[in-house]
Amino acid sequence: SYVLTQPPSVSVAPGKTARITCGGNKIGSKSVHWYQQKPGQAPVLVIYYDSDRPSGIPERFSGSNSGNTATLTISRVEAGDEADYYCQVWDSSSDHLYVFGTGTKVTVL
Amino acid sequence: QVQLVQSGAEVKKPGASVKVSCKASGYTFTGYYVHWVRQAPGQGLEWMGRINPNSGGTNYAQKFQGRVTMTRDTSITTAYMELSSLRSDDTAVYYCARSPIAAAEHLDYWGQGTLVTVSS
Repeated sequence: SYVLTQPPSVSVAPGKTARITCGGNKIGSKSVHWYQQKPGQAPVLVIYYDSDRPSGIPERFSGSNSGNTATLTISRVEAGDEADYYCQVWDSSSDHLYVFGTGTKVTVL
Repeated sequence: QVQLVQSGAEVKKPGASVKVSCKASGYTFTGYYVHWVRQAPGQGLEWMGRINPNSGGTNYAQKFQGRVTMTRDTSITTAYMELSSLRSDDTAVYYCARSPIAAAEHLDYWGQGTLVTVSS
């Protein structure tokens, strides 16, 4: 089964840049999607197909994917960006077709 | 606007079954898979399975095979997820979400979640 590993937590000061990594074997050969989940709320898609943003998602959110690591970058971090973030891939060989990362808690200092 | 509205919270005893509904609106119901994803308290997201509302075809994670049944009623644009033989570790928030059938790799809209509590 495919495994996606994320750091448990990332801390960042307002106005700075947060980078959240998602590690997986040859993840660069897959498409990676990212979700933001605030406490008590449902997840929201913020990046799909590695680097595309759904309508309504600020340009401050961007993504990249290469080798064994995908990265979600949040520029000019705001207090409202404090949330859990999950990466996700589709893997036809996995028991769970849709595999989620372990999640990263972003704390705005 | 796209909406996925789920049924309310449930409390069940171990061994019972629960059936959660997901009412879709604002888009063509048969053009998108409906997925079910659960989240245990303080834990991450776990994909359970999906249904193609057009054909009724399903894919379930092996972990839930034999215990989960996903169905839909196209006349009322509603999908259902039934989980049987409930255990305490099935206590979780259950979300429905959709993905385009033509580009099914990501889940672009989610329901608000339904808390299922399993307790004796």
